[in-house]
Amino acid sequence: SQQGEEDPQALSIQEGENATMNCSYKTSINNLQWYRQNSGRGLVHLILIRSNEREKHSGRLRVTLDTSKKSSSLLITASRAADTASYFCATAAIKGGGNKLTFGTGTQLKVEL
Amino acid sequence: NAGVTQTPKFQVLKTGQSMTLQCAQDMNHEYMSWYRQDPGMGLRLIHYSVGAGITDQGEVPNGYNVSRSTTEDFPLRLLSAAPSQTSVYFCASSYAGQGLTEAFFGQGTRLTVV
Repeated sequence: SQQGEEDPQALSIQEGENATMNCSYKTSINNLQWYRQNSGRGLVHLILIRSNEREKHSGRLRVTLDTSKKSSSLLITASRAADTASYFCATAAIKGGGNKLTFGTGTQLKVEL
Repeated sequence: NAGVTQTPKFQVLKTGQSMTLQCAQDMNHEYMSWYRQDPGMGLRLIHYSVGAGITDQGEVPNGYNVSRSTTEDFPLRLLSAAPSQTSVYFCASSYAGQGLTEAFFGQGTRLTVV
């Protein structure tokens, strides 16, 4: 079963706008990670947030984590056409040292010119 | 930097055939894993390994075998291919342990079973 469920399933915005994707999960975690997948390609790691962190930034990316609500959000600011991709959250189980990842179903982001 | 290399990129099998999907990494990562990706279902873990000689089952292991004789290689074997195994397969690797667990993915193998 999927650990993470992303919302929305699909998102279409204009270039320059911000994009927000949400992820909910079910069990306690070691960390939560976000990945990007361009069409037909492998996944690329974007950012990792540990269970004792609440917010993390990396360039135009901002991730929040609320362990009490078992949810996370990914914000992409000032989006570009090149940000068009699918975005997945992945939770790392406490057992196993944080390596065993369970992926959500993903959000398809389309950024239009 | 090669990273994680998967071969082949595409494969068509007939029902009942067997084959091995190859995965190799050159980053000296202890942890390696195989996922399958089906439309609308994200990635599901098939098998994983925390080091040479150690493997374990993931969420959807039936119909697949793995072995890990070296740190670098983690092949996935389909014993008797079925149409339900039509999918895109991804291999990933990462350092084992706390805090350095971002996974590096190969480019995938698109498998069709007819």
